[in-house]
Amino acid sequence: QITLKESGPALVKPTQTLTLTCRFSGFSLTASAVGVAWIRQPPGRALEWLGIIFGDDDRRYSPSLKTRLTITKDTSGNQVVFTMTNVDPVDTATYYCAHVTDYSHDYWGQGTLVTVSS
Amino acid sequence: QTVVTQEPSLTVSPGGTVTLTCASSTGPVTSDYHPNWIQQKPGQTPRAVIYDTNRKHSWTPARFSGSLLGGQAVLTLSGARPEDEAEYYCLLYPTTVRVFGGGTKLTVL
Repeated sequence: QITLKESGPALVKPTQTLTLTCRFSGFSLTASAVGVAWIRQPPGRALEWLGIIFGDDDRRYSPSLKTRLTITKDTSGNQVVFTMTNVDPVDTATYYCAHVTDYSHDYWGQGTLVTVSS
Repeated sequence: QTVVTQEPSLTVSPGGTVTLTCASSTGPVTSDYHPNWIQQKPGQTPRAVIYDTNRKHSWTPARFSGSLLGGQAVLTLSGARPEDEAEYYCLLYPTTVRVFGGGTKLTVL
């Protein structure tokens, strides 16, 4: 059974760096065909794809946010870490991580709401 | 950056059939875009419905199907039920990154 769970601060101040952790079970993030993606959703708005890390450590980022994002993995601990620098109130959203394989974002975490406010 | 366009809203009668479409600003959507369809009900976590154009997950009801038509990805719901009322997002792989559409709010009424 594949499960994912996001964790991190609920409140972050503008200009700070946001760090979120996705802890997962039921799969191994070691193969190139398996990945963990990050997606966010501002309140009342659409989903936005942010980036992905694959088991071979290949990483892809949304072009519009590429300079601010970093995704790393810790295979021994079954977790993926997402960082976003220089946050702004427009970054307020629910952040999700999802298991990716075979051209599918099939299993999703429950999401964690992050508010950016001073 | 690629823009993915979906109908903002659609309405279907219970038992009826509806098609949701997904277009890309980069050109015709082909199987190389590996279209995904994601369902999200109010207050709930998104749930994958269709992947790689027309493949279903083990939990996907048979009434949902995916295809390509006229240069767009299509999600067809045949025999709509009240519980299918939700926002549906298309996800495309136009390049090495992925892009979501703006979502279609489907009302079953």
